[in-house]
Formats: sequence, C-alpha cells, structure tokens
Amino acid sequence: AQTVTQSQPEMSVQEAETVTLSCTYDTSESNYYLFWYKQPPSRQMILVIRQEAYKQQNATENRFSVNFQKAAKSFSLKISDSQLGDTAMYFCAFMKPPAGSYQLTFGKGTKLSVIP
Amino acid sequence: NAGVTQTPKFQVLKTGQSMTLQCAQDMNHEYMSWYRQDPGMGLRLIHYSVGAGITDQGEVPNGYNVSRSTTEDFPLRLLSAAPSQTSVYFCASSYTRGRAETQYFGPGTRLLVL
Repeated sequence: AQTVTQSQPEMSVQEAETVTLSCTYDTSESNYYLFWYKQPPSRQMILVIRQEAYKQQNATENRFSVNFQKAAKSFSLKISDSQLGDTAMYFCAFMKPPAGSYQLTFGKGTKLSVIP
Repeated sequence: NAGVTQTPKFQVLKTGQSMTLQCAQDMNHEYMSWYRQDPGMGLRLIHYSVGAGITDQGEVPNGYNVSRSTTEDFPLRLLSAAPSQTSVYFCASSYTRGRAETQYFGPGTRLLVL
C-alpha cells in the first residue's frame, strides 16, 4: 500500500516571500502520479499541480513549482511570491496509473498561513 | 457547466437515522467516487464507480452503500448513522481515458451525527 507523509503540520510565510512544503511517499510502483491540492477555508479541493513520475522535468504552474526527486521519493511544493489568497491547507496526494480504483492517497496536510 | 455538485451542504443526524448524500456531475465523466475527510487527516476513499451499473469499495466502505444508475449521479447512503461517521464528505469525478488522473471535487457535505 502507498503512504504519503507531510511532516510540516503548519507553516507561515510573509506575503511576497517564497515557501516550500515537503512531501515524501512510499511506493513500489515505478509509474504513478503525484499531486498537490489546495483546500481554502471554503473546503473546496483545488488541484494546484500534477507530476507524472516518468517525466523527469519538474512541473510548474505560474507561481507554483515542484521539486520531484524520484529516487528519494520526495515531492515538495514551492510557492513563489506568496499571496494572501494562498492561505489554505495543502495536501500532497499519490495515484497509481489510472486502472481500477483511480484512488488518490492523501497526506495529512500542511496548514499554510500567509502573513501580510 | 456546474461541474460536480453536492447536496446538502450540511446535515445533522441522530444515531441510527438514515440519509442519502447526493452527488451529480455534468461533465460526462465515467468515474465517480466518494471520500471522507476527518480532522487532521487527508481524504480517504469510501466507494467508487467506473460507469453506470459498476461500483466497488474503497479504503473505508463500512457503513455506506452506493449505486450508479446514471452517468451523472452517484448517491452515498448511510443506512444507520453512527457518531464515527461525523465527517466532511467529498464527491469527485474524472474521465477514465485521457487525463483520467485529473479528478474534480465537489464542494463537500458536512455531516454531524449526534
């Protein structure tokens, strides 16, 4: 079974600064997907970024980028130029190649606060 | 295009009562699923469906039933609610081909069982 670990329950960052959220995972699979989801106070789950394990290039989406280290089973999220709207819970998630359950395995989350 | 919708937004139940959480999507997605989110934890898969008439159990299925009679709807039934089912419930959907790994979540239903 896959496990996802987020070792930082809470973090804070000054507005306009950069912050990195950590995620490690455990799997015996060689091909899989990794995700970061954002959950603001509204509770809506919003996909921030996705990474396919067979792609060596790190994914980027505007101010969000990842550092994917496959051998170390590490998948960190970097948020640049932090904005007040980035305040939210952030969940790291893992999925085996879509087949069968398409199950997302989530970490416990990191609560990020952006301070004005 | 409403995406994934869930009703109700909030519900209070007494132990032993039954209820159905509704989920609908208008994106013609084959795959639909239910997750629950408990405090201090990520989401955990309850049940899922890869198409009308096909359902299967996820990680935490006990106490819940599902059915899928149409592509659009995937209701979650609690037959006899227990306090341990107090949680926030999310429905999600996606295609089963192409970018099947990109799942779209509904806004959630908060359930309190007394």
